[in-house]
Amino acid sequence: EAGVTQFPSHSVIEKGQTVTLRCDPISGHDNLYWYRRVMGKEIKFLLHFVKESKQDESGMPNNRFLAERTGGTYSTLKVQPAELEDSGVYFCASSQVLQGAYEQYFGPGTRLTVT
Amino acid sequence: TQLLEQSPQFLSIQEGENLTVYCNSSSVFSSLQWYRQEPGEGPVLLVTVVTGGEVKKLKRLTFQFGDARKDSSLHITAAQPGDTGLYLCAGFLRSNDYKLSFGAGTTVTVRA
Repeated sequence: EAGVTQFPSHSVIEKGQTVTLRCDPISGHDNLYWYRRVMGKEIKFLLHFVKESKQDESGMPNNRFLAERTGGTYSTLKVQPAELEDSGVYFCASSQVLQGAYEQYFGPGTRLTVT
Repeated sequence: TQLLEQSPQFLSIQEGENLTVYCNSSSVFSSLQWYRQEPGEGPVLLVTVVTGGEVKKLKRLTFQFGDARKDSSLHITAAQPGDTGLYLCAGFLRSNDYKLSFGAGTTVTVRA
C-alpha cells in the first residue's frame, strides 16, 4: 500500500509568487491534515479535513493560505502571495480513524523556500 | 506557545552508550507519541503511550509516560549508529483530538 505522497519535494519561489503544494493521502483515509515546520521551531498543525470538508483550519497563518480537498481525495495547499516567513517544510498526514491513540501517517514533506 | 518541551536539543554519543530524551509539558495529555524522522522523510511513529505510568519497550528503546500524563521519556540502551535521527514527541490533549502537538525534537547522533 502506498504511503502519503507529497509534490513537489522542494520548491523555491520569489516573494510575491504563488505556490501550490499537493498531498495524496493513503487510499481510504478520510482524515487529512496539513502541518508546517518553520526553521528552528516545532511542527505545527495547520488544518484538518474530513473527506472534502474542512473541520478545523485554526492553524492557518493568514488568508494567504488556501487549502482544498475536492472530491475528498488529494488535497492542495496554495500560498498566494508567498512571503519570506512562509519558508519551511509542509507536511501532510492522513488517518483512517479519529479516536483514541491513533496513528497519523506523514508524507515526506515539501520544503518551501521563499527568497 | 510550545506545549511540549524536549531536551536536550542535540545529543551526540559513542556507539554502545545509553541516552535519554525528555519531553515535558505543563498540560495533561490524553496520549503521547514518539516519532523518528530521517532526512527527507516525514515523521514515523515509534510508539504511543496512553496510561499514566505506562512503560513500553521496543527492542533497545524504552518509553515512559509520567504518572500525571504531563511528561514522557525515551531511553535507548547500547545505542547504535542506526539510531541516529531526529526524535520527536507529540501528543493529543484530548481523546477525541485530531491536532497533534509536537515538541521541537532532539537530534541524536551515534558515532561508530
